[in-house]
Amino acid sequence: DQQVKQNSPSLSVQEGRISILNCDYTNSMFDYFLWYKKYPAEGPTFLISISSIKDKNEDGRFTVFLNKSAKHLSLHIVPSQPGDSAVYFCAAGHNNAGNMLTFGGGTRLMVKP
Amino acid sequence: EPEVTQTPSHQVTQMGQEVILRCVPISNHLYFYWYRQILGQKVEFLVSFYNNEISEKSEIFDDQFSVERPDGSNFTLKIRSTKLEDSAMYFCASTTRGAEDTQYFGPGTRLTVL
Repeated sequence: DQQVKQNSPSLSVQEGRISILNCDYTNSMFDYFLWYKKYPAEGPTFLISISSIKDKNEDGRFTVFLNKSAKHLSLHIVPSQPGDSAVYFCAAGHNNAGNMLTFGGGTRLMVKP
Repeated sequence: EPEVTQTPSHQVTQMGQEVILRCVPISNHLYFYWYRQILGQKVEFLVSFYNNEISEKSEIFDDQFSVERPDGSNFTLKIRSTKLEDSAMYFCASTTRGAEDTQYFGPGTRLTVL
């Protein structure tokens, strides 16, 4: 099942620069998308979400962009900080499916001081 | 800040044994979920639960699995006869309204089946 894919397993960025994490999906029925951050031995922590009727949502340093025609979303973190180093998962859900989330495989972000 | 809690943090069991993983969702939340992540693989949905019944379950959630909300605070996942391939991190999540509402995850229980 590859409905949600994160093609970059890792990303390294210098502190203060922009981090761009990408996610592609195949199921056009998804109604909303979320980004989670995960540290080792912890559960996923919610970062930001976007409804399928929007193309951008911003919260502080985090912005999510949604391109429905391309079935692509991205998370921008600017400026990146060393504490942002973690694994980032995108997830997608649709309202008629018991609210189950389908996750991508994750991208490990390393922010270098 | 309210959070989802899970116990135990690590459970080791013998193949064929029953295990119960426990979760305390955020107190005013109404929708509850279990997910699992096998080492090196994606986080996978197992089951969603609302109003004391299962609302959705995945193919993984077969007859060996069951969920229960035995009281007003706990939400449990039972695996009746564990297999080696059940070894994974199990995450509980909860949310207030369901659709398009953010799911908040617990720290997980690492289940190791020997």
